[in-house]
Order: sequence, then structure tokens, then C-alpha cells
Amino acid sequence: GIQVEQSPPDLILQEGANSTLRCNFSDSVNNLQWFHQNPWGQLINLFYIPSGTKQNGRLSATTVATERYSLLYISSSQTTDSGVYFCAVEQGTYKYIFGTGTRLKVLA
Amino acid sequence: DGGITQSPKYLFRKEGQNVTLSCEQNLNHDAMYWYRQDPGQGLRLIYYSQIVNDFQKGDIAEGYSVSREKKESFPLTVTSAQKNPTAFYLCASSIGISGANVLTFGAGSRLTVL
Repeated sequence: GIQVEQSPPDLILQEGANSTLRCNFSDSVNNLQWFHQNPWGQLINLFYIPSGTKQNGRLSATTVATERYSLLYISSSQTTDSGVYFCAVEQGTYKYIFGTGTRLKVLA
Repeated sequence: DGGITQSPKYLFRKEGQNVTLSCEQNLNHDAMYWYRQDPGQGLRLIYYSQIVNDFQKGDIAEGYSVSREKKESFPLTVTSAQKNPTAFYLCASSIGISGANVLTFGAGSRLTVL
């Protein structure tokens, strides 16, 4: 089956720093989403981005489907950005496969 | 407000007992899903349902059962056959249209088997 790899696995930043999270996938996909999981376990959808670039405030994402990767950019990080970031790819219909995540800790 | 409600939030059970986790959505979504998350891990798909009275096994369906009698509801039963049931269980739904199949999650149910 498709493999979804995220890097780095762990990341520690000082408040105000910028970061780039990467998601590589091993086969063509229909869709891709980025999620943030907060300390209480809630998964929040950040971007639905099968291709192209989107921006939402301090966050932006780019997916290059032909090269099978997606990037999530976090600028001017805040302590509330801490948590785990997952990418998930949809192969076929309805079957979303999740990566192992990037655990981010932002220090005040 | 539209959303997905999972209950209970925390559940403790003795080994060998069946447990049913509830998932209700008022988003009018056709598709619903159950995922399992172990500590420090990603999410793994247990079951999914595209329409009422139909569902398919995901990657780790053994020891679990589901039903989809109503569009709004997709309960998950963790049976005694599930060897390691202690985990965080997440329910999701989506509109089910190819090219616009955005997943929305509930808050999760944390099951601990003693």
C-alpha cells in the first residue's frame, strides 16, 4: 500500500521562529489534507490541498502532486501552535491514509 | 452548530467485555469513518461507510464491528476478540464526493481496558 512519511518527527522552536514540515507519499493520490492535533486529541483540519498553494494567516501549504510531496509552513510560531501535525492522503475514494506526524513544541 | 459528537469521552472496561462507542453527526455527510490512534502514533482506519446500510473494513478491522442504520449514526463496538483495545478512537465524516472529500473529526473517545 501507499506509504506516507513525515519529517521531521520532532521539532522544537522558540516563539517567533518559522518552520517547514514535509509530507512525502509513495503513490499518486486524489486528495491531501493537513491536520493539527491539539494536546486534548482534537484533530483540526488546516488545509485541503490536493495540489497548488493555499494560505491561512500564518500558515500556508504547498502540494506538488507530480513529485509526491506536500509542505506545511508555519511562520512566526506561537505556543498555541504546539501539538502534532499530520498529513493524510486519499487513495481511491474514502480511504485516507495518515502519516506518522510531526510533533511540534514551541517554547515561550 | 454542525459537528460530530462522540461519547463517552472516557471509558474504562474490564478485559473480555464488549464496548460500544457512539458517533453522531449533523453535517448531512454521507461518509463516516472510525480511526484508532495509539500513543505517539498516527491514525489507522478501522471501518468506513459510504452510505446507510453499507460499510467496508479498513486496515485493522479485526475485533471490531460497526453498523450504519441511520445517516447520522455510526457506532463502533470493540469486541472481546480485539487483543489490545486500549487506545484513542476517533470518528470522522465527509461529504463523500470525489474531489471534495474533506474529513471532519469528532473529539474522540479514550478507551482503557483494565
